[in-house]
Amino acid sequence: KAGVTQTPRYLIKTRGQQVTLSCSPISGHRSVSWYQQTPGQGLQFLFEYFSETQRNKGNFPGRFSGRQFSNSRSEMNVSTLELGDSALYLCASTGTGLHEQYFGPGTRLTVT
Amino acid sequence: AQSVAQPEDQVNVAEGNPLTVKCTYSVSGNPYLFWYVQYPNRGLQFLLKYITGDNLVKGSYGFEAEFNKSQTSFHLKKPSALVSDSALYFCAVRDNAGNNRKLIWGLGTSLAVNP
Repeated sequence: KAGVTQTPRYLIKTRGQQVTLSCSPISGHRSVSWYQQTPGQGLQFLFEYFSETQRNKGNFPGRFSGRQFSNSRSEMNVSTLELGDSALYLCASTGTGLHEQYFGPGTRLTVT
Repeated sequence: AQSVAQPEDQVNVAEGNPLTVKCTYSVSGNPYLFWYVQYPNRGLQFLLKYITGDNLVKGSYGFEAEFNKSQTSFHLKKPSALVSDSALYFCAVRDNAGNNRKLIWGLGTSLAVNP
């Protein structure tokens, strides 16, 4: 099976812009989670989607949003970018009956 | 509150020596415990998990971990380290109580295996 894919791999944006990141889970996986990874804060949970519904949400401002499509692909959007949003954004999927998550390679977002 | 601690930011070992990366946790119910590894510029790779059963679990690449309920620990071990094991290691826990499915992550331990 193909692994979790994320596009794009790298992005450079300017403060105030918005960005959309995409994640395609492993075939058959219906749960998709998003994380923000920074050197000082580790992995911070953004949200989890299951069957197009947000099932869990982390403690991020409303500028961070996501959605999931009927094919389980997911997108996350960050509006009004701030310098502090520079990070590696990781997507992970898991399937029914599994406890572990499988991660994509991440999208490296740099905000200038 | 749930929490995970990886008390060492960095661990250095010589190739061929045994390695241990420490993890302690705090949850209110029974824990589900996980170890992941991250190589530079890559996503996280699942190594192993403890859900129930034997306290010693074996995973990928020769790694194993021991669940110790009394010490609330889940240390990652390998009998003989390889230079290629050098990476960032993350411990994570999920509280099995209730419907909370969130994983709580440690801050990571950087493992350096010296030739």
